[in-house]
Amino acid sequence: DTAVSQTPKYLVTQMGNDKSIKCEQNLGHDTMYWYKQDSKKFLKIMFSYNNKELIINETVPNRFSPKSPDKAHLNLHINSLELGDSAVYFCASSLDVNEQFFGPGTRLTVL
Amino acid sequence: GENVEQHPSTLSVQEGDSAVIKCTYSDSASNYFPWYKQELGKRPQLIIDIRSNVGEKKDQRIAVTLNKTAKHFSLHITETQPEDSAVYFCAPHNAGNMLTFGGGTRLMVKP
Repeated sequence: DTAVSQTPKYLVTQMGNDKSIKCEQNLGHDTMYWYKQDSKKFLKIMFSYNNKELIINETVPNRFSPKSPDKAHLNLHINSLELGDSAVYFCASSLDVNEQFFGPGTRLTVL
Repeated sequence: GENVEQHPSTLSVQEGDSAVIKCTYSDSASNYFPWYKQELGKRPQLIIDIRSNVGEKKDQRIAVTLNKTAKHFSLHITETQPEDSAVYFCAPHNAGNMLTFGGGTRLMVKP
């Protein structure tokens, strides 16, 4: 069984478009996250969300917005895509302050 | 936000040698100290973690040591093998749901 899944695995799109990446976890975790990993492999947390609060990394542009329809899903919406948004995006989940379980990643390429 | 630094950024060892990676952090409220391993093209996965009430933890060839006073913790890998080659990340975590990953250490184990 897949613990944390993301779709799509690859996403190629033009500058200015709006796109979404979906994430689902079947671990019963209470907190989900989105990370951006750039070409130099730096892993930067973008959002942390549980049923009580959304914590946003202040450096993330407001073109990025997380949407959680329920506890098992945290989708990432990106408006007006820019070249610099090209990266691998990882979804993750955890139960409180514990091990993070990562999804397989979505490689986004903006042309 | 928390300042997290990892050293070295790259480490090359001969198979069978030991490898040590150090992580320093700034937030004295941090109480959970994990290390993640990311193989090429894969997702990060937890390999070992330690909590603030413990000074050292071992799991076969891997160990983590914590110095809360000095605000650093280290990953120790003994008898390195080629399959240990990967990027390793520390991610000190406090009670809040926003965490910071270190910049990563690329470990290369030469056969």
